[in-house]
Amino acid sequence: DTEVTQTPKHLVMGMTNKKSLKCEQHMGHRAMYWYKQKAKKPPELMFVYSYEKLSINESVPSRFSPECPNSSLLNLHLHALQPEDSALYLCASSQVIQGNYEQYFGPGTRLTVT
Amino acid sequence: DAKTTQPNSMESNEEEPVHLPCNHSTISGTDYIHWYRQLPSQGPEYVIHGLTSNVNNRMASLAIAEDRKSSTLILHRATLRDAAVYYCILRDVEPSNTGKLIFGQGTTLQVKP
Repeated sequence: DTEVTQTPKHLVMGMTNKKSLKCEQHMGHRAMYWYKQKAKKPPELMFVYSYEKLSINESVPSRFSPECPNSSLLNLHLHALQPEDSALYLCASSQVIQGNYEQYFGPGTRLTVT
Repeated sequence: DAKTTQPNSMESNEEEPVHLPCNHSTISGTDYIHWYRQLPSQGPEYVIHGLTSNVNNRMASLAIAEDRKSSTLILHRATLRDAAVYYCILRDVEPSNTGKLIFGQGTTLQVKP
């Protein structure tokens, strides 16, 4: 099974809401990633987890809060977002962060902030 | 991180070969060249990677210039399903490698029937 699943597929939320995005993989990968992709732009890295510990935070605003409760699951908690945070949020995983291991991407969650 | 330069868009006819170029003149000795593609409404997917020698897999071939300052992704027979944005990415495999994939603007490939 080489699949990364993401839920929900679509999410509409108000600026005062709290919501969470979920990502799951069962490939035994120990590295997991969150990317943000605006329309017609390339994906941009947000966070990297290595062995369930946060390894990289690319200066992401605190209204985005990642969590890695176990090696298969990655969450992104959202609070007090702005309309400019509307984007496709992609999760990815790889065997480990070092080396040339390919990253497997999920289909993304399309987020709209109203 | 070393940068890559790709044409914004390319067109191909179905069942013909496609050569997608990438320039990376500031590549370092520990940078591998990776290619990913993103089909419409999907996440990116890995295509191929290489260091110095040309590489082949079931999806594509990667031709790397002798000086490593450029490379070409080759799709041998384009199909409509190959219409996607193709990203050329350099990955540093030094021990401090953080696993980052830094995507450039990519090349949008259109395949005409």
